[in-house]
Amino acid sequence: EAGVAQSPRYKIIEKRQSVAFWCNPISGHATLYWYQQILGQGPKLLIQFQNNGVVDDSQLPKDRFSAERLKGVDSTLKIQPAKLEDSAVYLCASSPNAGQRGTDTQYFGPGTRLTVL
Amino acid sequence: GEDVEQSLFLSVREGDSSVINCTYTDSSSTYLYWYKQEPGAGLQLLTYIFSNMDMKQDQRLTVLLNKKDKHLSLRIADTQTGDSAIYFCAESIRAGNMLTFGGGTRLMVKP
Repeated sequence: EAGVAQSPRYKIIEKRQSVAFWCNPISGHATLYWYQQILGQGPKLLIQFQNNGVVDDSQLPKDRFSAERLKGVDSTLKIQPAKLEDSAVYLCASSPNAGQRGTDTQYFGPGTRLTVL
Repeated sequence: GEDVEQSLFLSVREGDSSVINCTYTDSSSTYLYWYKQEPGAGLQLLTYIFSNMDMKQDQRLTVLLNKKDKHLSLRIADTQTGDSAIYFCAESIRAGNMLTFGGGTRLMVKP
């Protein structure tokens, strides 16, 4: 079974530029998550999708971040414009069920490391 | 509020046991997790425990939960060099399985 795929793996941009990340979850997984992991910290949830609907985006900085999951499969996360403090690893995860707590294991991709200069 | 804390660093010798500790503040946590992150890789779920349990054992891993003190620990028996990684504890307190992670403990295993 293929894992969660993310691209690109690395991205370097200048502040005020735009950037987009792509995630392909494990086939058949209903729930998709985007996390931001700043160096030296644990991941912080940005947004959760169930199929193509948003479950929670309360921690997404909506003035500059946007995410979509068209057709309930792939997802893209966009930052426009980027700030220096957006430098982090952006992790995508998926889980097979409708987010049942505890037993619905989240499988993580390798992440995209973003550096904003 | 949600706050999960861990010590930053642990160093052990190969063959010894490792104990990684975690404290959390939200008493409504129902599931607590341990994840492992190796360099350049995503997070791998190691194990989880439901809040009505005190202990869970899975091969070399033992999870202890003290709900009164809001303290979670992960014991790795016979630690190997391949266990060197960052270990995160996480709690789930809200519907939808959203996780709140601690800052991670870097485990270094010396030969």
